[in-house]
Amino acid sequence: EPEVTQTPSHQVTQMGQEVILRCVPISNHLYFYWYRQILGQKVEFLVSFYNNEISEKSEIFDDQFSVERPDGSNFTLKIRSTNLEDSAMYFCASSRTGVAEKLFFGSGTQLSVL
Amino acid sequence: GENVEQHPSTLSVQEGDSAVIKCTYSDSASNYFPWYKQELGKRPQLIIDIRSNVGEKKDQRIAVTLNKTAKHFSLHITETQPEDSAVYFCAASIGGAQKLVFGQGTRLTINP
Repeated sequence: EPEVTQTPSHQVTQMGQEVILRCVPISNHLYFYWYRQILGQKVEFLVSFYNNEISEKSEIFDDQFSVERPDGSNFTLKIRSTNLEDSAMYFCASSRTGVAEKLFFGSGTQLSVL
Repeated sequence: GENVEQHPSTLSVQEGDSAVIKCTYSDSASNYFPWYKQELGKRPQLIIDIRSNVGEKKDQRIAVTLNKTAKHFSLHITETQPEDSAVYFCAASIGGAQKLVFGQGTRLTINP
């Protein structure tokens, strides 16, 4: 079965630093998402992306966050200046036709902000 | 508002017994309800889903029921096995939006 791949699996950074989390969605998928999960808590929606623009974003996705599809395969999440509260597991996901169809999640990037 | 409530937060059952996890949602326009299983340190994996035009769906030992009037849906696992131990999340689509809202999760433990 095709997979969404994410790199790195772990990222440790200092507060105030910029981080970029990378994802390669499944090749024929058109909708891309970022979710995050703070340890022991539920999965929270951050942003959805379709046709090279943001479709939806949550209140968590403030001006510190941005997403980009720099080429035909990668999908990135950038946090401009990390805070301690940004420490979480970040999951990328993709689907072929949108949210009303199976979402395939990547294996996640564990972000630790010190 | 957009909210999905999930109960119970923890559930412990004997191997071979059934487990039921329940969720309620607030958006009457929600039309897609997936269930995810998450093992420790792993990604959420879809185990079953149901759309609003269907009241029940079954896949081997797993079934999901949906009551649109009451805005709740449930996951049923029969003949539970130790490998069913995990955290289970329900989710609901939000009408007109490209996002899923997740419940708080249920930690299911199957006791041998």
